[in-house]
Amino acid sequence: GQNIDQPTEMTATEGAIVQINCTYQTSGFNGLFWYQQHAGEAPTFLSYNVLDGLEEKGRFSSFLSRSKGYSYLLLKELQMKDSASYLCAVRDSNYQLIWGAGTKLIIKP
Amino acid sequence: ETGVTQTPRHLVMGMTNKKSLKCEQHLGHNAMYWYKQSAKKPLELMFVYNFKEQTENNSVPSRFSPECPNSSHLFLHLHTLQPEDSALYLCASSQGEGEATEAFFGQGTRLTVV
Repeated sequence: GQNIDQPTEMTATEGAIVQINCTYQTSGFNGLFWYQQHAGEAPTFLSYNVLDGLEEKGRFSSFLSRSKGYSYLLLKELQMKDSASYLCAVRDSNYQLIWGAGTKLIIKP
Repeated sequence: ETGVTQTPRHLVMGMTNKKSLKCEQHLGHNAMYWYKQSAKKPLELMFVYNFKEQTENNSVPSRFSPECPNSSHLFLHLHTLQPEDSALYLCASSQGEGEATEAFFGQGTRLTVV
């Protein structure tokens, strides 16, 4: 079966750095997405990786290793507004999105 | 104006009621999706429409009935639901199914079945 694993919950301190990991086993690979979802709101697109390596976008970076079936989302200079759930999703060989259950990130002052 | 709009935001319905969820996208996309989001579970894809044609039905019970009259509008008709159907129902759109582009989500309808 297809599976996406990410930690259920993480806690970090304002101003610090946090890394949210995602491992996947899917039938084929056509890209990996990270979304942010604040409580009661729509998921919003953060990043897309299809080739190995690091994609940087401001305070957020996303890394992919296809051979290891592994990605991480790195958040720097954490702010209170970064408290949210972070969803990892992989597009499989049929171009269907397979979703992880999300990681709830709690930021403390 | 947000790209994908869902109404209503909240809905409480009895098991014998009939109701409909509405989704509208203003992004010129050709693919629209219904997802179910339950607490601490992955997003579950329910239905996909590409150029108004249904291309995916992920073994969804018949008490959920989708309708896509045009590329901008998507409905989810609900009847004789069960309490376990209580969840957040999210609509999304993308440029086209099968394209490596991100999906844009609406804010969802929080459904409670009593």
